[in-house]
Amino acid sequence: QQPVQSPQAVILREGEDAVINCSSSKALYSVHWYRQKHGEAPVFLMILLKGGEQKGHEKISASFNEKKQQSSLYLTASQLSYSGTYFCGTEESGGTSYGKLTFGQGTILTVHP
Amino acid sequence: DAGITQSPRHKVTETGTPVTLRCHQTENHRYMYWYRQDPGHGLRLIHYSYGVKDTDKGEVSDGYSVSRSKTEDFLLTLESATSSQTSVYFCAIRLASTTDEQYFGPGTRLTVT
Repeated sequence: QQPVQSPQAVILREGEDAVINCSSSKALYSVHWYRQKHGEAPVFLMILLKGGEQKGHEKISASFNEKKQQSSLYLTASQLSYSGTYFCGTEESGGTSYGKLTFGQGTILTVHP
Repeated sequence: DAGITQSPRHKVTETGTPVTLRCHQTENHRYMYWYRQDPGHGLRLIHYSYGVKDTDKGEVSDGYSVSRSKTEDFLLTLESATSSQTSVYFCAIRLASTTDEQYFGPGTRLTVT
């Protein structure tokens, strides 16, 4: 079952902040975040691991609530280059799910001058 | 930059014909993945591989088969293409790095008429 992302779309002016949420019904080992520009491949932003470790992009932050199986991506002081579709990918706890990501449906972020 | 290519990049085929998509990597990564991307569905895992001749199904594997006879190549085959398989197909590798990120190929746009 896919994780649920919210909101589905958000429109910002340069310099404004945004939060994108990702919620799963499964027990999670990690949450990945990716950004995709139109017509391009998704690009890795960061990973959050069970236990609190966070690795990835320096200018974008995120959180992972292990009890609620929820993650949030924080985009502060948005730039035009932040525009794109953001996907969370969840990796479930348990040996059979190692290496497999289930992606949310995506959040379209548009930043205007 | 992880070396990953997909071929062909674009293909138009008729219903009922077999189609094979190729993913090639140059860095001997163990894990490789095939996703399809459709509007409103995000990225959905078709099949993945965790080594030569070691493959497993994803969430939308019906109508698809895969093979991995060499570390560097992961093939996706549509035995008898249907219009519902019109999509953009992405191959990805899992980088054995500090982030365990998935790195995506450029994608193949497949149209089944």
